[in-house]
Amino acid sequence: QSVLTQPPSASGTPGQSVTISCSGGSSNIGRNTVNWYQQLPGTAPKFLLSSNNQRPSGVPDRFSGSKSGTSASLAISGLQSEDEADYYCAAWDDSLSGRVFGGGTKLTVL
Amino acid sequence: EVQLLESGGALVQPGGSLRLSCVASGFTFSTYGMTWVRQAPGKGLEWVSSIGGGGVSGGSSHHADSVKGRFTISRGNSKNTLYLQMNSLRTEDTALYYCAKGSSDWSRASLEYWGQGTLVTVSS
Repeated sequence: QSVLTQPPSASGTPGQSVTISCSGGSSNIGRNTVNWYQQLPGTAPKFLLSSNNQRPSGVPDRFSGSKSGTSASLAISGLQSEDEADYYCAAWDDSLSGRVFGGGTKLTVL
Repeated sequence: EVQLLESGGALVQPGGSLRLSCVASGFTFSTYGMTWVRQAPGKGLEWVSSIGGGGVSGGSSHHADSVKGRFTISRGNSKNTLYLQMNSLRTEDTALYYCAKGSSDWSRASLEYWGQGTLVTVSS
């Protein structure tokens, strides 16, 4: 059972928008930045963006992040087939003195 | 270009030990926090350990409760290498172990670069 809760799956058709949620608590999302990671099939995870929308160069602005209270969201607009991947949220947890991950959301582009 | 190359994964019996290494290049290794994350077959990501950057031997270290007392993260800044000493291994430690570079010297910083992983299999 993960400390951060994500829906196990999400889907959309090309061009659509999809949002993936991440729910936590006051000791993690409530106090710290939430980071999102993308894992394409058969590859290592890749840093996508933070809840303050800091992102590495090369990540398209179709991806955006937000945070409110103890929840965070990853929004993907203009869905493309190459967005099909597993997405993980993560944050530092001050009570656990460690990093916590969500269980991951498998995004399918129909 | 940042590169992280993990090694040391192997098949080991329960109760055994293993040391993983991650050789880093393309950045000033000593000044960044580093992290180990693992992924069991078909499962999600699980944080294992983090160590801060800065100083001769690095900053403070943190370990997940599931490995506390069994695993130790350390760094050799002169060799640009991150280590994970794994003792008293259990079958549930079977996973692909990733090394990741933080975006700052903090242990809690975002993990901006990841290696390709090294596979640890614990089985009799």
